[in-house]
Amino acid sequence: KQEVTQIPAALSVPEGENLVLNCSFTDSAIYNLQWFRQDPGKGLTSLLLIQSSQREQTSGRLNASLDKSSGRSTLYIAASQPGDSATYLCAVRDNDMRFGAGTRLTVKP
Amino acid sequence: NAGVTQTPKFQVLKTGQSMTLQCAQDMNHEYMSWYRQDPGMGLRLIHYSVGAGITDQGEVPNGYNVSRSTTEDFPLRLLSAAPSQTSVYFCASSYGDSGGGYTFGSGTRLTVV
Repeated sequence: KQEVTQIPAALSVPEGENLVLNCSFTDSAIYNLQWFRQDPGKGLTSLLLIQSSQREQTSGRLNASLDKSSGRSTLYIAASQPGDSATYLCAVRDNDMRFGAGTRLTVKP
Repeated sequence: NAGVTQTPKFQVLKTGQSMTLQCAQDMNHEYMSWYRQDPGMGLRLIHYSVGAGITDQGEVPNGYNVSRSTTEDFPLRLLSAAPSQTSVYFCASSYGDSGGGYTFGSGTRLTVV
C-alpha cells in the first residue's frame, strides 16, 4: 500500500525567506505527483502536476521536483509572502491518488 | 467553466437519516472520486469511478453508496448517517485513470448529531 509522508508537519518563516517542503512516498510505480494548496475551510487548489517521466515543474515562485527512484519530491517556494500561508498537500497517483497529511505553512509579515 | 461543483456546502443530519451529496463536473473527465477529510487523518478515498456505469471501492467505503449513470455526475449516498461520518467530503475528477491531474470541488461539510 502506498504511503505518503510530508515533512515538516508545520513550518513558520519570516516573509521573504526561501523554503522547501518535502514529500516522500513508498512505491515508486506512480503515474504522477501533484502538489495542492488548501486554505482553512476551503477546497484543494492544484499548484503543480509532475508526470512520472518529468523531473520538475515550475509555476511563478513555485518549483516542484520529482525523484521517482528515491520516492521523493520537494516543493520550493521562493521569496515567501504572507499570502502563501496555507496547508500544502502532496499526492501521488498509482491506481488511485494517495495524499500526505500536509505541511501547514505560516509566513509572518 | 464551472469545474467540479458540490452541493450542498453544509449539512446537519440526525443519526439514522439518509442523504445524497451531489457532485457534477463539466470537463468531460472520465475519472471521478470521493474523499473524506478528517483532522489528523488526511484525505481518504471512499469510492471512485473510471467511467459511466463503473464504480469501485476505495479505502473507507463502508456506509456509503455511489452510482455513475452519466459522465458528469457522481453522487455519494449516506444510507444511515452515523456520528463517525461527520467530516468534510470532497469530490474530484480527472482525465483518464492514470496520467491526469485532479480537480477538486469546494467540499461539503457534514455534521451528524
